[in-house]
Amino acid sequence: DMKVTQMPRYLIKRMGENVLLECGQDMSHETMYWYRQDPGLGLQLIYISYDVDSNSEGDIPKGYRVSRKKREHFSLILDSAKTNQTSVYFCASSLWANTGQLYFGEGSKLTVL
Amino acid sequence: SQLAEENLWALSVHEGESVTVNCSYKTSITALQWYRQKSGEGPAQLILIRSNEREKRNGRLRATLDTSSQSSSLSITATRCEDTAVYFCATGSGTYQRFGTGTKLQVVP
Repeated sequence: DMKVTQMPRYLIKRMGENVLLECGQDMSHETMYWYRQDPGLGLQLIYISYDVDSNSEGDIPKGYRVSRKKREHFSLILDSAKTNQTSVYFCASSLWANTGQLYFGEGSKLTVL
Repeated sequence: SQLAEENLWALSVHEGESVTVNCSYKTSITALQWYRQKSGEGPAQLILIRSNEREKRNGRLRATLDTSSQSSSLSITATRCEDTAVYFCATGSGTYQRFGTGTKLQVVP
């Protein structure tokens, strides 16, 4: 069905709490991504995963970690969330990392109080 | 770091008019993609244009690529209210694609 699904869509956490954002795709894509989007800054890549247990840092990895134990599932974890991690987070997948079309989820809006 | 950048933050046009969004980038690329993001949604790809292509069309959309000036444009003809969105270019070089900050296009009736 060519779909990327993110859960939860909305989340409110207090500073210092742990956050788990989950993403699934049904296209058997090898490559998956986590981006964050802030006003005026566009989409910034946090982590990229080339396959199961093959993850690399993107441009802004500090404060985040990821887990990919199955090809179709990619998680973003914030240990001890900070207020400046309030943002909209997007998961995406693609066949190829460099030139492949990215398929995005609908986003997860995280508010850290 | 933004390796791709749209040249205007916002544009407004009347329905039926044509509009062009421009993008410049800083490194050699293998391909450039244009994405559209409507409010409350994730971005969706519109056009992929490879470095050996000069022009690509998709319905009312036309993308051009000039590798000598490291720039690209996306033109939309006969705009509709549903074209209201943020338009991003994304460049593929190295190991993954990077996005510009986007141009917000508003199409008014």
